[in-house]
Amino acid sequence: AQTVTQSQPEMSVQEAETVTLSCTYDTSESNYYLFWYKQPPSRQMILVIRQEAYKQQNATENRFSVNFQKAAKSFSLKISDSQLGDTAMYFCAFDFGNEKLTFGTGTRLTIIP
Amino acid sequence: DTGVSQDPRHKITKRGQNVTFRCDPISEHNRLYWYRQTLGQGPEFLTYFQNEAQLEKSRLLSDRFSAERPKGSFSTLEIQRTEQGDSAMYLCASSSGAGYTQPQHFGDGTRLSIL
Repeated sequence: AQTVTQSQPEMSVQEAETVTLSCTYDTSESNYYLFWYKQPPSRQMILVIRQEAYKQQNATENRFSVNFQKAAKSFSLKISDSQLGDTAMYFCAFDFGNEKLTFGTGTRLTIIP
Repeated sequence: DTGVSQDPRHKITKRGQNVTFRCDPISEHNRLYWYRQTLGQGPEFLTYFQNEAQLEKSRLLSDRFSAERPKGSFSTLEIQRTEQGDSAMYLCASSSGAGYTQPQHFGDGTRLSIL
């Protein structure tokens, strides 16, 4: 079975600080795709960053970066210089080669002014 | 690119009634997905289409649920004889392919409340 776990239901951080959201997973697949999505309150899910499992280099998108540890099956998201607009639910999600996304339970992130 | 559009945004209905939701994907996206998200949880996969063909259905999709994409463009999700447990946000997503290079783009969702 393929499982995705986000162990931090809620986090808060001061504006301009750095925060790291954790995600672990379990799969027997060797190649798969990893994503972080952001869901602001009452707004649509937005793709934040993506990573391919066979690429060792960690993906970076502006203030967002990932730490992908394939052997440990860990895929964390780091947000640098956090902004008020980063307040949202964050979901890690995986395409384990079957086209559908498997999501974690989410982390509610609040940026404090 | 006008994004994925879902209608209605909210639906309130009595238990036992039938409801139908519509999703218009990003134009020329050949893949369309339906997910269900309950409070405090991540979205769960329900079904997906490649063009007009329904390729996979989750076991979550009981026989009261049916989805169609008749011309490979918009899709409808119908729930018959609604139950309290059907209360959730129903999300639609579309993509132009699979995997890393063609990520799924989501709509705003339809929130269903069963009285």
